[in-house]
Amino acid sequence: GAVVSQHPSRVICKSGTSVKIECRSLDFQATTMFWYRQFPKKSLMLMATSNEGSKATYEQGVEKDKFLINHASLTLSTLTVTSAHPEDSSFYICSARGGAGQETQYFGPGTRLLVL
Amino acid sequence: QKEVEQNSGPLSVPEGAIASLNCTYSDRGSQSFFWYRQYSGKSPELIMSIYSNGDKEDGRFTAQLNKASQYVSLLIRDSQPSDSATYLCAVNPFEKLVFGQGTRLTINP
Repeated sequence: GAVVSQHPSRVICKSGTSVKIECRSLDFQATTMFWYRQFPKKSLMLMATSNEGSKATYEQGVEKDKFLINHASLTLSTLTVTSAHPEDSSFYICSARGGAGQETQYFGPGTRLLVL
Repeated sequence: QKEVEQNSGPLSVPEGAIASLNCTYSDRGSQSFFWYRQYSGKSPELIMSIYSNGDKEDGRFTAQLNKASQYVSLLIRDSQPSDSATYLCAVNPFEKLVFGQGTRLTINP
């Protein structure tokens, strides 16, 4: 149990385009989903927390207009990188957590984004 | 002071030996502690969670928690080459995980 999927696993795009990444909890209802970014040889950096049906909470320094997050259902959250630039190239990982009292976060396999 | 601190390593351990990974945290109110394993190019994978002082064992893995000392550790017995990875300690003080920088572990055959 506790499986989280991400799609796509890898994407290459041109500078200025937008990219959407999907995160799905396959066998549980995720009331909260988290989006992380990880640069090579660095630890995970939390970008934002999203709760189903409400606006995402962004960490300090993360541009909410650039990284659009939607958590429309209990099993799906999306991250859209708008007007992507080469410096947005990174490994984006989502995680999901169940309902009240559930502490554990389960991670998706990640999406590697390369902006040319 | 960083919220969660780990020795970045690399830590080299011979195959079959015990690998010991350590983590300290700054927020005394933290209640939940996690160890994740991350292979190169992959996302983190949960190994263990621990909430109470003392030891928690799962197969070859033992997590140890000492809230008074603000210290959590992970022991890996009978280390295998497949255990070579980066191990991330994570603490949950504010409804979101705070990660350490990770310890890179290499098991030498």
